[in-house]
Amino acid sequence: EPEVTQTPSHQVTQMGQEVILRCVPISNHLYFYWYRQILGQKVEFLVSFYNNEISEKSEIFDDQFSVERPDGSNFTLKIRSTKLEDSAMYFCASRQAGGLGPTQYFGPGTRLTVL
Amino acid sequence: AQTVTQSQPEMSVQEAETVTLSCTYDTSESDYYLFWYKQPPSRQMILVIRQEAYKQQNATENRFSVNFQKAAKSFSLKISDSQLGDAAMYFCAYRRGETSGSRLTFGEGTQLTVNP
Repeated sequence: EPEVTQTPSHQVTQMGQEVILRCVPISNHLYFYWYRQILGQKVEFLVSFYNNEISEKSEIFDDQFSVERPDGSNFTLKIRSTKLEDSAMYFCASRQAGGLGPTQYFGPGTRLTVL
Repeated sequence: AQTVTQSQPEMSVQEAETVTLSCTYDTSESDYYLFWYKQPPSRQMILVIRQEAYKQQNATENRFSVNFQKAAKSFSLKISDSQLGDAAMYFCAYRRGETSGSRLTFGEGTQLTVNP
C-alpha cells in the first residue's frame, strides 16, 4: 500500500540554523500539507500546497517558513532560522484531488529538536 | 472559525469491552468531513474512520463505528471488542468540503488505555 514517507525521522539543530524537512507524498496525490505537533499538544495546520503554489496557510506559517516541490516527488518544509519554540513533531500529509480524496494520509513525522 | 472539542483527556477500557470517545465541533458549513485519527506511541497519525456530512448513515470500519449527530454537531467513536493494540491517543478532526486547501482542524485528543 502506498504511503507518505518523511526524512529525517529526527533532526537536532542549533537555534538560528536552517533546517529542511523532506517528504515524499503518495504518487498520485495532488494536495500536500504540513502540520506540526508540539509535545503534549494537538496537531496544528501549517500550510497546504496545490498546483505548485501555497493554497492556504495558518498564522503560524510566517516568513521563517517556506515550502517547495523541487521535483516530481519531493515536498519540503524549510525553516530559515530555527527558534526553541519550533521544537515539535512535523507531519507531512497528502491527498487526492476532488471528490476522490477527502482523506489526508500522514507520514510518520520528523521530530525536530532545537537546542 | 471551525473548532473541534474532545472533552475527555483520558479514557480507559477493559480488553474486549466497548468504549466511546466523544467529539463535538462547531461550524457554519453544511458540507464537511469528519475523521478519527489514531496516534500510537510511535506518533504516526493513522486514519481510523471518515464520515461525510451529507451521509445520514454512520460510518463503520470493522470494530470501529461512529455516531454522527449532525444537528447536535456531535461525532463520537465507538470501539467494540477493545484490543491492547487500540491503546493510543485518538484525535477527532474536521475539514470543510471541496474547497482549495481544506485544512484539518484537530481536537485536543483523548488518551485511551486498554487494560488486560
